[in-house]
Amino acid sequence: GAGVSQTPSNKVTEKGKYVELRCDPISGHTALYWYRQSLGQGPEFLIYFQGTGAADDSGLPNDRFFAVRPEGSVSTLKIQRTERGDSAVYLCASSLNGVGGNEQFFGPGTRLTVL
Amino acid sequence: SQQGEEDPQALSIQEGENATMNCSYKTSINNLQWYRQNSGRGLVHLILIRSNEREKHSGRLRVTLDTSKKSSSLLITASRAADTASYFCATDLGYNFGTGTSLTVIP
Repeated sequence: GAGVSQTPSNKVTEKGKYVELRCDPISGHTALYWYRQSLGQGPEFLIYFQGTGAADDSGLPNDRFFAVRPEGSVSTLKIQRTERGDSAVYLCASSLNGVGGNEQFFGPGTRLTVL
Repeated sequence: SQQGEEDPQALSIQEGENATMNCSYKTSINNLQWYRQNSGRGLVHLILIRSNEREKHSGRLRVTLDTSKKSSSLLITASRAADTASYFCATDLGYNFGTGTSLTVIP
């Protein structure tokens, strides 16, 4: 594709529900990153994939958050038992590879609102 | 992992003026990257500077890196209203962002 895409663009859910957020990276990019961003803050790192495996998941806040990338392309961020504090914009980015700090290409984000 | 921190938090200038923002970090790095984020949009990569480089240019952007002071600066010359955005630095693998500098360029 032309760029990184994320779906849905907006998601409103109720406290306690389960949500899935999808990221389609640029074709051929082996590295994929998930971040979340609250208003007025910088992106907060969640997880980084190199291929199919999570190379660094140290940013996942707790075990309610999980992400997969089964075929090394599309990734899904899964949040269980959502809480109001999970409300944020979730950003996905991809890069050609994760070595040496390659340029990251960001998607437009998914705005998650937990009521 | 480590995080870059930008300052000032906010900067307001007149169109045509130069804008300078700074990034500080705490431990040794291999490279440092600057990104821009327009309101409500994803981040856009501006420039990457490696630890063995001291200065790098890209159009109206000039980035410097001082590894002895663990700091970097981003200079935007001849600013335009379209430069209004938040600017972030990130170190090494590039996924540790600071809180950003919010730049407003007044037409």
